[in-house]
Amino acid sequence: NAGVTQTPKFQVLKTGQSMTLQCAQDMNHNSMYWYRQDPGMGLRLIYYSASEGTTDKGEVPNGYNVSRLNKREFSLRLESAAPSQTSVYFCASTVPLLQETQYFGPGTRLLVL
Amino acid sequence: EDKVVQSPLSLVVHEGDTVTLNCSYEVTNFRSLLWYKQEKKAPTFLFMLTSSGIEKKSGRLSSILDKKELFSILNITATQTGDSAIYLCAVFKAAGNKLTFGGGTRVLVKP
Repeated sequence: NAGVTQTPKFQVLKTGQSMTLQCAQDMNHNSMYWYRQDPGMGLRLIYYSASEGTTDKGEVPNGYNVSRLNKREFSLRLESAAPSQTSVYFCASTVPLLQETQYFGPGTRLLVL
Repeated sequence: EDKVVQSPLSLVVHEGDTVTLNCSYEVTNFRSLLWYKQEKKAPTFLFMLTSSGIEKKSGRLSSILDKKELFSILNITATQTGDSAIYLCAVFKAAGNKLTFGGGTRVLVKP
């Protein structure tokens, strides 16, 4: 039982490049989330998916797209990376009746030059 | 707009000291408040509080919620260097499936 996994661990992009951050969970959780974390800003929600086939915008969705490929996987895409998207990205998932207690992946550190 | 504010931003203490972290919130349809600890990587869950005035304890950590004054505190007694981390407070609303996080408090415990 690996919990929540994220790939890659670290990535460097040039401005304008695109990439997809992958997230998978093996806990049969319904809801999945993408956050970004910047110094002093806590975690800010980018997008979330309450269940397979649904996605909703969070607090800071601009510049990102998501895909809930199946119940296990939730990917985050940057179509044209900008330096302002330099951050640490966390994926999380949760069970339906305990949606508060989110389980986080180890994070992806992204640097956009 | 929902707000969760943590204070102080950071603090440095010595082993054995007691630390008190604050979290105030302004959200509609409040359901619960959570505390997470973040060391090197992913945040890990500490407490969830839903009822006012009831203290949750886990070893040297304890937390309490005041729903009237809209705040929570997290206490760490007899601090150890392993308590060094960022402590995050988050609020969950009754409607919707998401947490709103505060900016975190960075705690450094020196030997």
